[in-house]
Amino acid sequence: DAGVTQSPTHLIKTRGQQVTLRCSPKSGHDTVSWYQQALGQGPQFIFQYYEEEERQRGNFPDRFSGHQFPNYSSELNVNALLLGDSALYLCASRGTGGTGELFFGEGSRLTVL
Amino acid sequence: AQTVTQSQPEMSVQEAETVTLSCTYDTSESDYYLFWYKQPPSRQMILVIRQEAYKQQNATENRFSVNFQKAAKSFSLKISDSQLGDAAMYFCAYRSEYNFNKFYFGSGTKLNVKP
Repeated sequence: DAGVTQSPTHLIKTRGQQVTLRCSPKSGHDTVSWYQQALGQGPQFIFQYYEEEERQRGNFPDRFSGHQFPNYSSELNVNALLLGDSALYLCASRGTGGTGELFFGEGSRLTVL
Repeated sequence: AQTVTQSQPEMSVQEAETVTLSCTYDTSESDYYLFWYKQPPSRQMILVIRQEAYKQQNATENRFSVNFQKAAKSFSLKISDSQLGDAAMYFCAYRSEYNFNKFYFGSGTKLNVKP
C-alpha cells in the first residue's frame, strides 16, 4: 500500500521564479492538503483539494495556487518566488469518514536564493 | 482562531526513562480532535496518538499516552520506556470536529534520547 509520495524531494530556485510541486495521495484517499513548514516551525495550512476543487484556503497569497487531477493527485504552484518561501512543503491526504487523520508525505524542500 | 502552543523547544531523556511533552491550545469549540505527530529526520510526519475531545478517557498507544485536560485546554504526551528511535520532532495538532480540512500545529518539541 503506497503512502503519500511527493516530488521533487529537494529543489533550488531564485527569486521571481515559479515552482511546481507534485503529490500522489495514499491509495484510497481523495482529499489532499498542502502545508508549508518553515525551518523551526510547525506546518501551516495552505489549502485543501477535494473533487478537483479548492475547498478551503489558509492565509497565503494568490501566488500560491494548486490543482487536483481526476486520479486525486495534486500540484502546488508558487509564482514570483520570495526568499521567505523557502520551506518544507508537505502534502497530506485523508479518506472520507473515520477520524480524518492526515497521512503525510516526506515533503519537498524548497530553497529560494 | 485556534492556536496550539508547545512551550518546550527541546527536551532530553535517558533511554528507558519516561518523558512528558507539553501542549496547550486555545479554542472556543467544544468538539474537536487533538493529535501528536512525530517527525523524524526523514521528514515524514507520523501519527503517534489521537484524542477525541468528547472522550474523557485518555488515549493510549503502547508506550505512548496522553493526559487530556479539557477544561485547562492541555494535552500532554507521555513516552514511557524511551527508545533511541523516539528521537524526533514532536508536533501537537488540533482539528475541529466541524472542519476536517484544517489542522493547526504547534511549533514542535525536539526530543533527544540519550543512550
